[in-house]
Parts: sequence; C-alpha cells; structure tokens
Amino acid sequence: DAGITQSPRHKVTETGTPVTLRCHQTENHRYMYWYRQDPGHGLRLIHYSYGVKDTDKGEVSDGYSVSRSKTEDFLLTLESATSSQTSVYFCAISEIQGLGQPQHFGDGTRLSIL
Amino acid sequence: LAKTTQPISMDSYEGQEVNITCSHNNIATNDYITWYQQFPSQGPRFIIQGYKTKVTNEVASLFIPADRKSSTLSLPRVSLSDTAVYYCLVKDYNAGNMLTFGGGTRLMVKP
Repeated sequence: DAGITQSPRHKVTETGTPVTLRCHQTENHRYMYWYRQDPGHGLRLIHYSYGVKDTDKGEVSDGYSVSRSKTEDFLLTLESATSSQTSVYFCAISEIQGLGQPQHFGDGTRLSIL
Repeated sequence: LAKTTQPISMDSYEGQEVNITCSHNNIATNDYITWYQQFPSQGPRFIIQGYKTKVTNEVASLFIPADRKSSTLSLPRVSLSDTAVYYCLVKDYNAGNMLTFGGGTRLMVKP
C-alpha cells in the first residue's frame, strides 16, 4: 500500500473552533488531494496540490484552506468549523494528475463538529 | 453541473458475474476512466482504469464504448468479500476538467 498517513483518525470538536487535518506521504508524489465523503454525495474534491506551495480549489472548497510547505505534507484547515463540515475526510496522492495515473488514498479522518 | 451517475445499489449471489455501469456524459476527451472499491472504514482502493474499448486485469474488466460516455465495470464470479462500494472517477469538462467521482454503487453479494 502507498505510504499515506492521515492524522488524527478521529476528532470531535465544537462549532467555531479551528481544526487542522494532516496528510503525510512517503512516496514523494507530486499531487495530493483532500476529499470529503458524505452519505448521498460520494467523494467530493475540496482542494488539491500540484507541488510545494501550489494549490487549487476543488468542487467544495468554501470554508476550507490548505497548505503545502513540504512535498510530504498537505494540511487541511477549517478556520471556524461548522456542523455542515462533519464528514469523513480522505487524503489521496498521485504522481501526476489523471492521464492514467490512479490516486492512492489514506484511511480517512472522521470529524464530528457539535 | 451534470453529474457522473451510477446505480445506488445492486445485489448478487456468489459465483455470479456483476456489471456496474457509470454514466459520464461530460468526460474530458483526454483522460482515463478509473474505478475504485471501498470497504467500510477504509479509503477507496484502485481496481482498474481504461481509456477506450476493453481492459482486463486479474480482478476485473472494464468496457468502454466508442463515445466514452459510459463505462461498465465487470466483476467475474463474485464472492462475499466483493461486498463493497464501487466508484467511477472521471474528469468532467463541464466542471473545468475537475476530477469527479460517481455517487458510488453499493454491491451486496449474498451466499
């Protein structure tokens, strides 16, 4: 399996608090992605990165920010968490985007915002 | 935005062949179609990908018609351990060539 570690694996917090999720990879892949998964919506792309300090928005980026200061780490931040951001968050990596290059996923972070 | 769509659920029995179709009318012309399998409490796992016609590997086949507006994942002789959710992933040109997952098909394999 690809070396992807998400932390924390579970988190419960209150509305209005900041939350940061971390994705760490040991594969030296260029692309990293953050998805959220909700019942009835499948997986939706939040943000992705195509290199250090290079990021772009996905389908559901409102309320989220990301940072990538090192190749191996991609951080997802909820500046002021809301109950609608309760979800399971998945990080993924790939060497290139698309063009026959599959993504490899972490095991997810279950985030509950009360 | 047009969506990438799949049946919500399917039932099958052990030993049968299962075909799951994904509709992706707005697929980008220059990219592959990828299918993933997901078990509870795990991230999606790559199964197979293709660009056109037919692709086969040790676990599945993928059939893609010439217009590429749909694709069919074929699982031969399923077992109980194939019970999972299956997702297709394409680039949607209506969404700025953004990677877009289908909603997932929950496959239940019965003994």
